[in-house]
Amino acid sequence: TQLLEQSPQFLSIQEGENLTVYCNSSSVFSSLQWYRQEPGEGPVLLVTVVTGGEVKKLKRLTFQFGDARKDSSLHITAAQPGDTGLYLCAGDGATNKLIFGTGTLLAVQP
Amino acid sequence: KAGVTQTPRYLIKTRGQQVTLSCSPISGHRSVSWYQQTPGQGLQFLFEYFSETQRNKGNFPGRFSGRQFSNSRSEMNVSTLELGDSALYLCASSRDHSTDTQYFGPGTRLTVL
Repeated sequence: TQLLEQSPQFLSIQEGENLTVYCNSSSVFSSLQWYRQEPGEGPVLLVTVVTGGEVKKLKRLTFQFGDARKDSSLHITAAQPGDTGLYLCAGDGATNKLIFGTGTLLAVQP
Repeated sequence: KAGVTQTPRYLIKTRGQQVTLSCSPISGHRSVSWYQQTPGQGLQFLFEYFSETQRNKGNFPGRFSGRQFSNSRSEMNVSTLELGDSALYLCASSRDHSTDTQYFGPGTRLTVL
């Protein structure tokens, strides 16, 4: 069974701080997606990474796909209250379905 | 372009009852996937429908079923509800495959008493 473990599970920080969320697996994924989910809403795609070692930047968010395509990280610089939400990674698994990670709940205090 | 819509948004049922949830995908999207989200288990894949056929299935009991209509709209049904079925049920549509970019609806919050 393919699993994606995210860490940390919860994160509460002050506005302006930096943070990194990790998404790890023992399995190889052909691609990895990151989503953010706000209360009362469905997840919204932030980025898809497909190449081992790939780095993508989306304003203050930096996403990296591990060289072996088993792990990924999301780094947020100078976090803002609007970044608050549940961050989910999701891998394109061997069974042709998306495997979602365990989630990281981020709270950014003003 | 309208997003994915789900109805109803909230539902309260009692054990033993059955429930039907509805999902309208983004126009032009042919793949519809259903997920169950709970605090303990996270987001788990239920099934995917494409061209009115179930193309993929997760590890859920047979009480969970679904269907897709010719206009790509989808419904999922849960029979003989259990307390543990209380969850947020999310529908997502994508152009052709469930591993493409998923566009999620706001979900249906089901509470089983």
